[in-house]
Amino acid sequence: TQLLEQSPQFLSIQEGENLTVYCNSSSVFSSLQWYRQEPGEGPVLLVTVVTGGEVKKLKRLTFQFGDARKDSSLHITAAQPGDTGLYLCAGARGYQKVTFGTGTKLQVIP
Amino acid sequence: EAQVTQNPRYLITVTGKKLTVTCSQNMNHEYMSWYRQDPGLGLRQIYYSMNVEVTDKGDVPEGYKVSRKEKRNFPLILESPSPNQTSLYFCASSLGQGLPVFYEQYFGPGTRLTVT
Repeated sequence: TQLLEQSPQFLSIQEGENLTVYCNSSSVFSSLQWYRQEPGEGPVLLVTVVTGGEVKKLKRLTFQFGDARKDSSLHITAAQPGDTGLYLCAGARGYQKVTFGTGTKLQVIP
Repeated sequence: EAQVTQNPRYLITVTGKKLTVTCSQNMNHEYMSWYRQDPGLGLRQIYYSMNVEVTDKGDVPEGYKVSRKEKRNFPLILESPSPNQTSLYFCASSLGQGLPVFYEQYFGPGTRLTVT
């Protein structure tokens, strides 16, 4: 059973468009992270959110943690080809286990 | 350079032939973990280790073994590989859990395993 569902699974957009990726769960997480993975490489951390309702910005990327700490979203403004990649959310449960989401594959077309 | 290394990067083997994928980190991290990545399923945790001689099962441990005899190394052992273990494997290390935050995980480059 996948505890973290991401949507959409695939997204192909034109450069300059905005997009939102969702990460949903029925479980509560103590913290939630977003990673980006490029082909042939391991995931790289983008952000960690901890407090319910927290919003963090990283240049054109905005991350939000749901009030109940069960869901999160990633919004990209004016997407660029360099944003292309696989986006993964990851939730920490308890003290040690980490659950990754199903992933959203983003392609930004120049 | 701070890094997580995995070997081999690519491996093709046959059903039942024992294999080991090595993982090493040079950041003095206490937490290490193995994941497998399959299309549409994201990364699924196989095993993790909070420190030397402390290991525990993740979500998909069946068919895998691990050991943590030294802080820097965390090998993944497949005693009798089967075709359903064909996957992309990642090792990761982290400072671990500092409540309530789970610290950043640093990932290795991945090992693509094919079992025929």
